[in-house]
Amino acid sequence: KAGVTQTPRYLIKTRGQQVTLSCSPISGHRSVSWYQQTPGQGLQFLFEYFSETQRNKGNFPGRFSGRQFSNSRSEMNVSTLELGDSALYLCASSSPGSDTDTQYFGPGTRLTVL
Amino acid sequence: AQSVTQLDSQVPVFEEAPVELRCNYSSSVSVYLFWYVQYPNQGLQLLLKYLSGSTLVESINGFEAEFNKSQTSFHLRKPSVHISDTAEYFCAVSIIQGAQKLVFGQGTRLTINP
Repeated sequence: KAGVTQTPRYLIKTRGQQVTLSCSPISGHRSVSWYQQTPGQGLQFLFEYFSETQRNKGNFPGRFSGRQFSNSRSEMNVSTLELGDSALYLCASSSPGSDTDTQYFGPGTRLTVL
Repeated sequence: AQSVTQLDSQVPVFEEAPVELRCNYSSSVSVYLFWYVQYPNQGLQLLLKYLSGSTLVESINGFEAEFNKSQTSFHLRKPSVHISDTAEYFCAVSIIQGAQKLVFGQGTRLTINP
């Protein structure tokens, strides 16, 4: 099986712009979770989608949003970018109920905000 | 709420020496436990997991971890490390049959010296 894929791998934006990141889960996985990784805050949970519904949300401002499509692919959007949004954004997929809730990660999208 | 503490931010060891990376967690409910590894400029790879059963779990590349419920610990060990083990290691927990949300420790950077 192909692993989790994320596009683009690298992105440079300026403050005030918005950005959309994409994640394609492992075939058959219906849950997609997003995490932000920064040197200062470490790995933090953003949100999780399952069957096109957001089931859980982390402690991030409303500028961070996401969605999931019927084929389980997911996108996350960050509006009005700030310098502090520079981070590695990781997507993970899982199949709750089988393989017992193990999340498999993609390579990440490195976002730099100038 | 759950929390994870990795007691060492950096661990330098010599090649072929043993190593232990320490992880303690706090949770009022039962959790699954994971170790992930991150090589430079890459995403997270699952190293091993404890879901139930035997408290000692092993990975295919020689790492092992032991779940100790009374001490709420899940330390990672390897009897003899190689240069290729140089990476950052993350301990994580998730609620059993709950949200697909991992709570991570701050990570331990393992550096192998020849």
